[in-house]
Amino acid sequence: NAGVTQTPKFRVLKTGQSMTLLCAQDMNHEYMYWYRQDPGMGLRLIHYSVGEGTTAKGEVPDGYNVSRLKKQNFLLGLESAAPSQTSVYFCASSLRASYNEQFFGPGTRLTVL
Amino acid sequence: QQQVKQSPQSLIVQKGGISIINCAYENTAFDYFPWYQQFPGKGPALLIAIRPDVSEKKEGRFTISFNKSAKQFSLHIMDSQPGDSATYFCAASSGYKLSFGAGTTVTVRA
Repeated sequence: NAGVTQTPKFRVLKTGQSMTLLCAQDMNHEYMYWYRQDPGMGLRLIHYSVGEGTTAKGEVPDGYNVSRLKKQNFLLGLESAAPSQTSVYFCASSLRASYNEQFFGPGTRLTVL
Repeated sequence: QQQVKQSPQSLIVQKGGISIINCAYENTAFDYFPWYQQFPGKGPALLIAIRPDVSEKKEGRFTISFNKSAKQFSLHIMDSQPGDSATYFCAASSGYKLSFGAGTTVTVRA
């Protein structure tokens, strides 16, 4: 049982390049989330999904897109990376909606030059 | 604008001492208040959580105190150990979305 995994662990991009971050969970969770973590800002929700085939915007969605074609996978895309997207990205999942633990992946450290 | 305000930003405590982290919120719809612990290079992990129908919850050396009328809650780490050195995030939710505080870095000196 690997829990929540993320690939890649590190990535350096040039401004304007695109990339996709992959999140996978093996806990059969319905809900999945993408956060970004910046110093002094805590974790901010980018996009989330309440089930296979669904996605919704979070607190800071601009510049990102997501897809959830399979229940176990949640992809985060950056179409045209900007230096402001330099951050550590975390994926999380939870079984239910309310009063429920979110399980986090190990993170992806992204630098945009 | 952060919905959950957390303080202090960092604190240093001696081994065996007490660490106290405070959080405040405005949204009265919040009904679940978890604390997450994060070690360097790792993702956050749930430490302890409370619902607003109780004023205190204790798990081992970790205690959440909750004041519904003041819209404040706090984490107390008793008998702090070097292994407790980490960043702690408070959070609040009314459903499946969590709003996190900015985090507190705790350093426990041996």
